[in-house]
Amino acid sequence: ELKVEQNPLFLSMQEGKNYTIYCNYSTTSDRLYWYRQDPGKSLESLFVLLSNGAVKQEGRLMASLDTKARLSTLHITAAVHDLSATYFCAVNDMRFGAGTRLTVKP
Amino acid sequence: DTGVSQDPRHKITKRGQNVTFRCDPISEHNRLYWYRQTLGQGPEFLTYFQNEAQLEKSRLLSDRFSAERPKGSFSTLEIQRTEQGDSAMYLCASSLFLRVYNEQFFGPGTRLTVL
Repeated sequence: ELKVEQNPLFLSMQEGKNYTIYCNYSTTSDRLYWYRQDPGKSLESLFVLLSNGAVKQEGRLMASLDTKARLSTLHITAAVHDLSATYFCAVNDMRFGAGTRLTVKP
Repeated sequence: DTGVSQDPRHKITKRGQNVTFRCDPISEHNRLYWYRQTLGQGPEFLTYFQNEAQLEKSRLLSDRFSAERPKGSFSTLEIQRTEQGDSAMYLCASSLFLRVYNEQFFGPGTRLTVL
């Protein structure tokens, strides 16, 4: 059975700092997605990664995919409070990790 | 609003009652997904449709759960004889499935509370 593991599950960071969230998965996949969820809200698509070595960037977030290592990363650069949310990765369209709850403190 | 809509947004019911939720996807999308999400967890896949065909059901989907998408447009998810463990947020998502690309767009969810 496909397993999707994210770490850390909780992340508290200072504004202006950098950090990386990791998403490991247990079987081959040619598509990986990152979503954001704000408290009490639904999920918003952030990135779609379709091939080995794919890198996508939007603002202070950058996502990458290494299909050989079965690993995706979501890198946060110079965090700001507005990035506080829960971030999910999803593999094979429908299998989600448990999420990383990010809190950015001033 | 041309996004995914769900109705109702909140449902409170007593144990043993039946409930039905509706999802209206983005109009040109051919795939529709149902997920369940409990507090602090990621969405758990329940089932999905391509047009009107139900292509996959999760083992989580017990005999009490049934979903339909009769004309390949809106979908309904019914839970019979609800249990307290069914309390969760039920999310619907739709996508325009292409062979190498399948970005999902999520609705606001239906929060179910079973008393």
